[in-house]
Amino acid sequence: EAGVTQSPTHLIKTRGQQATLRCSPISGHTSVYWYQQALGLGLQFLLWYDEGEERNRGNFPPRFSGRQFPNYSSELNVNALELEDSALYLCASSLGFMNTEAFFGQGTRLTVV
Amino acid sequence: QKEVEQNSGPLSVPEGAIASLNCTYSDRGSQSFFWYRQYSGKSPELIMSIYSNGDKEDGRFTAQLNKASQYVSLLIRDSQPSDSATYLCAVPHNQAGTALIFGKGTTLSVSS
Repeated sequence: EAGVTQSPTHLIKTRGQQATLRCSPISGHTSVYWYQQALGLGLQFLLWYDEGEERNRGNFPPRFSGRQFPNYSSELNVNALELEDSALYLCASSLGFMNTEAFFGQGTRLTVV
Repeated sequence: QKEVEQNSGPLSVPEGAIASLNCTYSDRGSQSFFWYRQYSGKSPELIMSIYSNGDKEDGRFTAQLNKASQYVSLLIRDSQPSDSATYLCAVPHNQAGTALIFGKGTTLSVSS
């Protein structure tokens, strides 16, 4: 069974540009979560999608947005990139109800120069 | 605001010893708890989940939960150099469904 897959693995963008990151959840999982892990910092919750809807977001500005498609895959968009957006972006998926286990993809390393 | 606290370490143990990793959480209503292992530069890997008070064993790993004291621990028996990693404790953010709030992690170093 395929795990959570993310693309691209690495992404280099210039300050002010937009970045789009993609995630395919484990088959049967309806919830997708996005996290940011900046160097030396912990995992920070960004966004949660379930059944095509944004269910909640963490303490991030509106230039971080995304969506979930009918096949439950998801994309994260980061507009007006800033240098401090450089981080490992992780996607996780779960069955979508309380207290279930979440599994992570391999991440996308975003570098803003 | 929910908080999950862990000692950052590093925790250094010799090969074959027991490594004990601890985590405390602030929300008394938390019902499930997860331990992830993260190797440097890699994504977190789920290694244990625990939902009830007491111990849960899986191979060399034992998770211990004490809801009254609001702590959860992870014991690694017969530690191996390959166990050297950062261990993350996570608790669901109930206001965000099953989205997890993570501690900052404890770095474990197992020397051979």
